Amino acid sequence: DARVTQTPRHKVTEMGQEVTMRCQPILGHNTVFWYRQTMMQGLELLAYFRNRAPLDDSGMPKDRFSAEMPDATLATLKIQPSEPRDSAVYFCASGFGDIQYFGAGTRLSVL
Amino acid sequence: QKEVEQNSGPLSVPEGAIASLNCTYSDRVSQSFFWYRQYSGKSPELIMSIYSNGDKEDGRFTAQLNKASQYVSLLIRDSQPSDSATYLCAVNRGDYKLSFGAGTTVTVRA
Repeated sequence: DARVTQTPRHKVTEMGQEVTMRCQPILGHNTVFWYRQTMMQGLELLAYFRNRAPLDDSGMPKDRFSAEMPDATLATLKIQPSEPRDSAVYFCASGFGDIQYFGAGTRLSVL
Repeated sequence: QKEVEQNSGPLSVPEGAIASLNCTYSDRVSQSFFWYRQYSGKSPELIMSIYSNGDKEDGRFTAQLNKASQYVSLLIRDSQPSDSATYLCAVNRGDYKLSFGAGTTVTVRA
C-alpha cells in the first residue's frame, strides 16, 4: 500500500530552535507539495517541487523557512529559527498530474 | 474575496439522509476540482475529482460542477456515522497547485 511517509509525527520545541521535517513521497510521483494547516488559515500551500526542482515557494516565510529535495525519495522542510506562530500541522503531499496524496502530517508545537 | 469558499457549517444530518455541501471559486479559468475528506486529527483524503460540467457519481457520493456559475457541490446519499468529518473543496489554480476552502464539518446523527 503506497503512501507518503512523514517524520516526525509530533515535534515539540522551544522558540529559536531549528526544526526539520522530512517526507518520503510515493515512488513514481514527480510532484511534492508542502502544506501548513491551522484553524485560522486552513490548509495553505507553502512550496512545491516537480522532478526535484523547486517551482514555487511563495507561500513560505522566506527568512526562516526553507524547502529542499536532495533526492527523489526525500523532501525536507526546515524552520530556523522557529517561533510560536509556526505551531501547526505540516503536511507533505505527492502526486502525478493533479491528484495529490497526503502524508499523515507533522504536528509542530513551538513553545 | 477568498479563492475558494464553502458553506461554513457545521452541518448535522440524520443517518440515512442526504448531506449537501457547497463550494464556490473565484478563478474562472480553473479546470479541475476536488473534494477531500478529513477526519479529526488525520490527513486529507481524496474522495472525488471532477473536470466537466454536470454530475459525477461514485458510490454514495455525487459531485456536481457548474463552471458558468463557478460552483461545485458534493452530495452524500444515505449518510452514515462514518461520514462524519470535515470536507474540503479544492480547486486547481494552475500547474496542479490546489487552493483549499476552509472546510465544512459534517456530523451524521445515528
